[in-house]
Amino acid sequence: GENVEQHPSTLSVQEGDSAVIKCTYSDSASNYFPWYKQELGKRPQLIIDIRSNVGEKKDQRIAVTLNKTAKHFSLHITETQPEDSAVYFCAASLRTRNTDKLIFGTGTRLQVFP
Amino acid sequence: EAQVTQNPRYLITVTGKKLTVTCSQNMNHEYMSWYRQDPGLGLRQIYYSMNVEVTDKGDVPEGYKVSRKEKRNFPLILESPSPNQTSLYFCASSFRGQGRPSPSQASGRAAYEQYFGPGTRLTVT
Repeated sequence: GENVEQHPSTLSVQEGDSAVIKCTYSDSASNYFPWYKQELGKRPQLIIDIRSNVGEKKDQRIAVTLNKTAKHFSLHITETQPEDSAVYFCAASLRTRNTDKLIFGTGTRLQVFP
Repeated sequence: EAQVTQNPRYLITVTGKKLTVTCSQNMNHEYMSWYRQDPGLGLRQIYYSMNVEVTDKGDVPEGYKVSRKEKRNFPLILESPSPNQTSLYFCASSFRGQGRPSPSQASGRAAYEQYFGPGTRLTVT
């Protein structure tokens, strides 16, 4: 089945620096790649997503890139702020004729130090 | 207010005692899903439902059951809980399934964004 690997598991950056989180997926049929942010003690929330027919998408300080050939996608956060500190999850959607699963990575704990 | 609700929020139970965690959404979403979250393992999908009376296994379905008799409700049933089911459980819903094209009332991000419930922390002793 589909497998999503996420790296690094923890990431510490200084405020204002950039942060990059990388994910790889195994099934070339996957066509939807969302990123969720989970603050401590809260529920996950979607921050950005990308479909397989797009190579890059940007929303203010966050951007996601997708390389279908290599089967990897990345989250880029620029000008990081302390409120960006959270756990970030990538995910890949495995869709077949009869299934519609969403497989998450294991998460990256991002800490932004003032 | 658009939301996903789960009950109970916290539950401590004993091995073998059947329990149900309820999940309800008021957004007329087609797709609903249950996840469990464990340290170091991220979010793992237990079961999902693409519409009423349509359910399918996720990655870790063993020991769980679900039903989708109404569009708004998607209860998670543990017939005989065991300690390895101690976890944080999240219910989530979205307009469409994660991989489906969207000719429906929502499009783009709005179609696929999953709204998570507040979580249910379950301890099985």
